[in-house]
Amino acid sequence: EIVLTQSPGTLSLSPGERATLSCRASQSVSSSYLAWYQQKPGQPPRLLIYGASTRATGIPDRFSGSGSGTDFTLTINRLEPEDFAVYYCQQYGSSRGTFGGGTKVEIK
Amino acid sequence: QVQLVQSGAEVKKPGASVNVSCKASGYSFTNYYMHWVRQAPGQGLEWMGIINPSSGGRTSYAPKLQGRVTMTRDTSTSTVYMELSSLRSEDTAVYYCARSNTVADLVFWGQGTLVTVSS
Repeated sequence: EIVLTQSPGTLSLSPGERATLSCRASQSVSSSYLAWYQQKPGQPPRLLIYGASTRATGIPDRFSGSGSGTDFTLTINRLEPEDFAVYYCQQYGSSRGTFGGGTKVEIK
Repeated sequence: QVQLVQSGAEVKKPGASVNVSCKASGYSFTNYYMHWVRQAPGQGLEWMGIINPSSGGRTSYAPKLQGRVTMTRDTSTSTVYMELSSLRSEDTAVYYCARSNTVADLVFWGQGTLVTVSS
């Protein structure tokens, strides 16, 4: 089973700053099957990025994804108040999926 | 529009089973995979498994849950089901169904079903 490790666990930033979130896999992941989600309290997750770098429908362009192999990054440029939330990476391969442990982006 | 409507909250005793349903509408049910994901209180997301609503309802489960989880579908009602047996307190969580567009991207999510396991 592929283990995804996200870092940092918590990111304390101010609105307008840039957030850089890391997702490291225990073995190589197909870029086609790496996704990022945002979750706010009491809500289901929302898909932000799929295929490692493609924004989902309706996602603002301040969100971007990059990476390949075992190292992936989610970048949020110019944080807006509504961006403070928990972010998860997820992979799917060999008919199995896993999620990372999450990164909480909080207001500094 | 795509909608996934899940069954209501459940309270179960340890050792019992729970069956959560997810009724899909607004798209061709057999054309898209459905995943199940759970989230224990205050914890992260855990992938549970996937079902192909066509192809005889082929499934794949997380190794941790293999043997306790069963996912099925009813194409006549566009509904998928997730049954979890031999419940223990650690199974207390919100359970989500989620539809993918390709196979891996979980685009549409149900509202979640809280399952509480308590004696």
